[in-house]
Amino acid sequence: TQLLEQSPQFLSIQEGENLTVYCNSSSVFSSLQWYRQEPGEGPVLLVTVVTGGEVKKLKRLTFQFGDARKDSSLHITAAQPGDTGLYLCADPGSSNTGKLIFGQGTTLQVKP
Amino acid sequence: KAGVTQTPRYLIKTRGQQVTLSCSPISGHRSVSWYQQTPGQGLQFLFEYFSETQRNKGNFPGRFSGRQFSNSRSEMNVSTLELGDSALYLCASSSRVGYGYTFGSGTRLTVV
Repeated sequence: TQLLEQSPQFLSIQEGENLTVYCNSSSVFSSLQWYRQEPGEGPVLLVTVVTGGEVKKLKRLTFQFGDARKDSSLHITAAQPGDTGLYLCADPGSSNTGKLIFGQGTTLQVKP
Repeated sequence: KAGVTQTPRYLIKTRGQQVTLSCSPISGHRSVSWYQQTPGQGLQFLFEYFSETQRNKGNFPGRFSGRQFSNSRSEMNVSTLELGDSALYLCASSSRVGYGYTFGSGTRLTVV
């Protein structure tokens, strides 16, 4: 079973700072999804990366997929309090049966 | 368009009782997955249904069951509730497995 390790587990920063969170696996991902979850809500899909070396940008968020497709990172530039939440990476697998394997998540707190 | 709707939002049950949770997917989405989220274990896959058939099941005891109706609405049932079943139960729907999943806001189940 694919195991996803996310780091760091917790991050508390001031508004305006930059940060990077990581998602790693010992196995190769077929693709990888990043979600953000706010308290009391379900996760919301931010991006799907598919190709090794791929970089995707979503406003101040930059997602990278490792060349070997065994790791991914999420970089946030000039973090804002609205970025506060739980960031989760998830592997949809290749079996096409609706099962997402999630990492434990990174809890981000951005203080004003 | 309407999102994924889960009812009820909050539920308090007594140990030994059973509970049924409901999920209405986005119109046109035929895949519905269920997840359990706890602080200790994170998000764990329960099962996935597609066109009324369970295609994949996670590593949970038989007390956890589900079904999907012809209109793609899904229910999950937990029998003989235990204190450890207290969790946020999330449902997600997708139009195409392996692509983006849309999650509902979840049902917060507390077992006392």
